[in-house]
Amino acid sequence: DTAVSQTPKYLVTQMGNDKSIKCEQNLGHDTMYWYKQDSKKFLKIMFSYNNKELIINETVPNRFSPKSPDKAHLNLHINSLELGDSAVYFCASSQRTGVGYGYTFGSGTRLTVV
Amino acid sequence: AQSVSQHNHHVILSEAASLELGCNYSYGGTVNLFWYVQYPGQHLQLLLKYFSGDPLVKGIKGFEAEFIKSKFSFNLRKPSVQWSDTAEYFCAHGSSNTGKLIFGQGTTLQVKP
Repeated sequence: DTAVSQTPKYLVTQMGNDKSIKCEQNLGHDTMYWYKQDSKKFLKIMFSYNNKELIINETVPNRFSPKSPDKAHLNLHINSLELGDSAVYFCASSQRTGVGYGYTFGSGTRLTVV
Repeated sequence: AQSVSQHNHHVILSEAASLELGCNYSYGGTVNLFWYVQYPGQHLQLLLKYFSGDPLVKGIKGFEAEFIKSKFSFNLRKPSVQWSDTAEYFCAHGSSNTGKLIFGQGTTLQVKP
């Protein structure tokens, strides 16, 4: 079983559409994250949730809305997609909040906005 | 503000050559440093980490890194690279409280057979 799974793996969509990326972890971890990797491979955190509660909300446009229905899931909904949203989005989880617990990353979702 | 910088953006080596990738961090508090590797089309995998103790850290696949506090550096090394080491390498600093990782820009390593 994949520890941190993301769906879909690839997503091609038109500007202006609304789309969601799903993330699920079966590790029993409390904390989940979304990272964005841009075309230059630069990785930056977007959000973090601990047991369904928002911990980190970086300077991200309001069009991005994370949702955590339970601690095993952290979904990312994006409204009114723009060309600049094209990137690879990585989900990650850790046992607890804090750097000492390690991270497990998903395989990424490559979003292409055309 | 915290920042991590990697000096080498693209490194090309022949097999068996030695590798050193530079990483400098800017943070005045507790250091929590990581090196991650991303093989083509795959997710990030942890190579090694440093929180405290022996500044020479050994990781997986023959990689090691040395924490030099006076230089704010955490350089990654490998004595002899293999073609399979071709990948992106990311240095990162983690927040003790929030777990947030600040990544460097990444270094693309290409190893020629």
